[in-house]
Amino acid sequence: KQEVTQIPAALSVPEGENLVLNCSFTDSAIYNLQWFRQDPGKGLTSLLLIQSSQREQTSGRLNASLDKSSGRSTLYIAASQPGDSATYLCAVHGQNFVFGPGTRLSVLP
Amino acid sequence: ETGVTQTPRHLVMGMTNKKSLKCEQHLGHNAMYWYKQSAKKPLELMFVYSLEERVENNSVPSRFSPECPNSSHLFLHLHTLQPEDSALYLCASSQDSISYEQYFGPGTRLTVT
Repeated sequence: KQEVTQIPAALSVPEGENLVLNCSFTDSAIYNLQWFRQDPGKGLTSLLLIQSSQREQTSGRLNASLDKSSGRSTLYIAASQPGDSATYLCAVHGQNFVFGPGTRLSVLP
Repeated sequence: ETGVTQTPRHLVMGMTNKKSLKCEQHLGHNAMYWYKQSAKKPLELMFVYSLEERVENNSVPSRFSPECPNSSHLFLHLHTLQPEDSALYLCASSQDSISYEQYFGPGTRLTVT
């Protein structure tokens, strides 16, 4: 059974810092991995999708990497802004869709 | 409207009521999903439909009954719910159920009294 963990559970940084969020999964037989952000009480916004054959994807200040063999993905956020404050979720699509518990990010002005 | 919409946005129901949640996607996708998000728990996949056929059911109690009449609409029929069913119910869609990214609706906040 796939298990997904995210570290750290919460993170608070000053504006302008570069930061890394981590996602780990136990079963490397996956189709893809997707990163989302969720604002309080809202739905999820898709950030990046990495197929199992890819190593990384970039969108603006966001860069996500995937190391399938070690069961890890990282989301790198450059030059963080207060508007980046949200919960970041990774979702692993293998036999099932399994979400991690999320990292709650606060970027302080 | 564009994207994925859900109605109602908020719902309060008693344990003996019957209600339905509605999801509509305007993206031309072929797969649709129901998720449950409870406080302090990861998102849980409930149902997956691909081309209007149910392809996955993650051991969800029978008091939750999905319906997918066409590729644009997905319903979740609710009856005799329990207070622990109170949660945010999220609908999502994707081009197919394998390779493409999922797009989520805003969710329905359900409270069972």
